[in-house]
This record gives sequence, C-alpha cells and structure tokens, in this order.
Amino acid sequence: EIVLTQSPGTLSLSPGQRATLSCRASQSVISNYLAWYQQKPGQAPRLLIYGASSRATGIPDRFSGSGSGTDFTLTISRLEPEDFAVYYCQQYGFSPLTFGGGTKVEIK
Amino acid sequence: QVQLVQSGSELKKPGASVKVSCKASGYTFTTYALSWVRQAPGQGLEWMGWINTNTGNPTYAQGFTGRFVFSLDTSVSTAYLEISSLKAEDTAVYYCARIRQQLPLHPWGQGTLVTVSS
Repeated sequence: EIVLTQSPGTLSLSPGQRATLSCRASQSVISNYLAWYQQKPGQAPRLLIYGASSRATGIPDRFSGSGSGTDFTLTISRLEPEDFAVYYCQQYGFSPLTFGGGTKVEIK
Repeated sequence: QVQLVQSGSELKKPGASVKVSCKASGYTFTTYALSWVRQAPGQGLEWMGWINTNTGNPTYAQGFTGRFVFSLDTSVSTAYLEISSLKAEDTAVYYCARIRQQLPLHPWGQGTLVTVSS
C-alpha cells in the first residue's frame, strides 16, 4: 500500500500568514490522484483539492495544491480565522486508499 | 444537492452489534459507490473499504474483514455498516463518503459516533 507522510505535524501560524503543508508518498501516485481534506473539530472532512491541484467547488482561491509523483504541497496563501483546522492528504489511485497522518494548523 | 445523512450516535456494550446507516440523496444512488472511513478518538482517518452500489459487492480493507459488513438497500438509497462482536477499540466516528473510480471521496456524511463501553 502507498504510505503518505505529512509534515509538519503541527504548524503554528498567525492569521494572514502563508501556510505550506507537505505530503510525501512512498511510491508514485498514479495520475496524481491526490486529494486534500480539511477537518474541523466535530465535523466531517471536507474536500479541498483533488487531482493534486484542482480546487473543489466552493473552495476559496487562497487554497492551492501542487506537486506530482511522490511530493505534494497544499498552500494557504493568507490564513483566515476559519482555516485553523487539521488537513489530510489522501491518494485514490491505488487500492487500498490511504490517508496521511494529518497536519494541524493552529493559531500562534 | 448531493447529501449523505447518517444515523445517530450509538452506545453499545462489548460483544453487541451495531448497524449504521447512510442515506443518499440528490443523485442516482447506483451511479457512485460508497466508502466507509473510521476515525478513532483523537486519531486520523482510516479507509475501511467500499461497496459497489450496482452489484452490492463489498471490498474490505485489511483489518476490516470478519466483523464488518457493508450492505445496501437500493430501494431507499441507503448503505449500511454493521459491526458485530463490538470491542472497546471499535469506539470511533464512522463516516460514509461517495466515491467513484478516479474521483476522491466527496461528499461525506456527517459521521456516526459509536461508543463501546460496559
């Protein structure tokens, strides 16, 4: 199975700052079938990015995804108060589908 | 709009069974498969497998065979997750999510908390 490693585990930033989250795969993700999800406490995950770089419907353009092969990045250009949450990457090219361990973006 | 609505929280004793439902609306039920995802308290997301809503054929991820059963009632556009012989370590929020080949999990149900405690 493809193991996804997210870093850092926790990112402490202030509103208005830029957040850069990393997701590294143990083998190449087929066709860049890599998604990013946001999860807030007590809520279900919400799809942000799919196909490594395509924003899901309704997602603000401050969220962007990049990368290919084994290295992927989620960037939040300017953090808004509602962006403080946990972010997961997930590959859906190979079965079993796998998730990274998550990156918590917290208020500094 | 596309929506998945899950059944409410459950409190069960060890050894009992639980059945969680996931009702789909806003699209033709049999055109997308459904996946189940587990999230233990304070932990990350774990993919449990998926069920083909056309054939009813389930596929289980490693670690979710034996006590876990995915099923459907297509007449009411609903998928089910049944867990038998519950253990304390089954305590988690269980999510359903729509899936299709080459597409991510989207949308997700709101989650169902299953608590196993004596």
